[in-house]
Amino acid sequence: AQSVAQPEDQVNVAEGNPLTVKCTYSVSGNPYLFWYVQYPNRGLQFLLKYITGDNLVKGSYGFEAEFNKSQTSFHLKKPSALVSDSALYFCAVREIAGTASKLTFGTGTRLQVTL
Amino acid sequence: DGGITQSPKYLFRKEGQNVTLSCEQNLNHDAMYWYRQDPGQGLRLIYYSQIVNDFQKGDIAEGYSVSREKKESFPLTVTSAQKNPTAFYLCASSKGPGIGANVLTFGAGSRLTVL
Repeated sequence: AQSVAQPEDQVNVAEGNPLTVKCTYSVSGNPYLFWYVQYPNRGLQFLLKYITGDNLVKGSYGFEAEFNKSQTSFHLKKPSALVSDSALYFCAVREIAGTASKLTFGTGTRLQVTL
Repeated sequence: DGGITQSPKYLFRKEGQNVTLSCEQNLNHDAMYWYRQDPGQGLRLIYYSQIVNDFQKGDIAEGYSVSREKKESFPLTVTSAQKNPTAFYLCASSKGPGIGANVLTFGAGSRLTVL
């Protein structure tokens, strides 16, 4: 089965500093990887995805993610964090089930950005 | 505006009662999903449906039931057989099939509390 792991429950960063939220994956075949963000008491919002091509993927709100095949990682990054980036971030991987596909999510990382 | 509407937002249930959570989408999406979110466990897939009148069990289907009689609607019933139903329930939809099938649009969620 495909899976992703988010090794950090929480990441703290000061506003204006770069941020990284880590994700590693375990898949058979080519990975299709995703990042979603969840604000308090809300559903998740899609940020970005890696299917194929450039290892650096750009997404919404200034976020980007770097796909690293040798390290089986797909870390989320942003050059300069904002307080409004504080939220719960989920990494996900596509899994094929018969003729259908579905997403398997990691356990989430809470990002706290402070002034 | 297109989107997914989940209702009710908050629901309280006595032990032994069945409850049904509503999920309606006007995005003309083919696929719909139900996830359960618990603190520290991320999102776990309950059921999913790729087309009308067809659905598949996810990773934690026991104690839940669904129907997909209309493209727009995918209600989830939490039965008395679900041993620990207190959780935040998220409905999602996506285009399908293909890569776009995994860019999910989420509803705002329904929080179920068993008294």
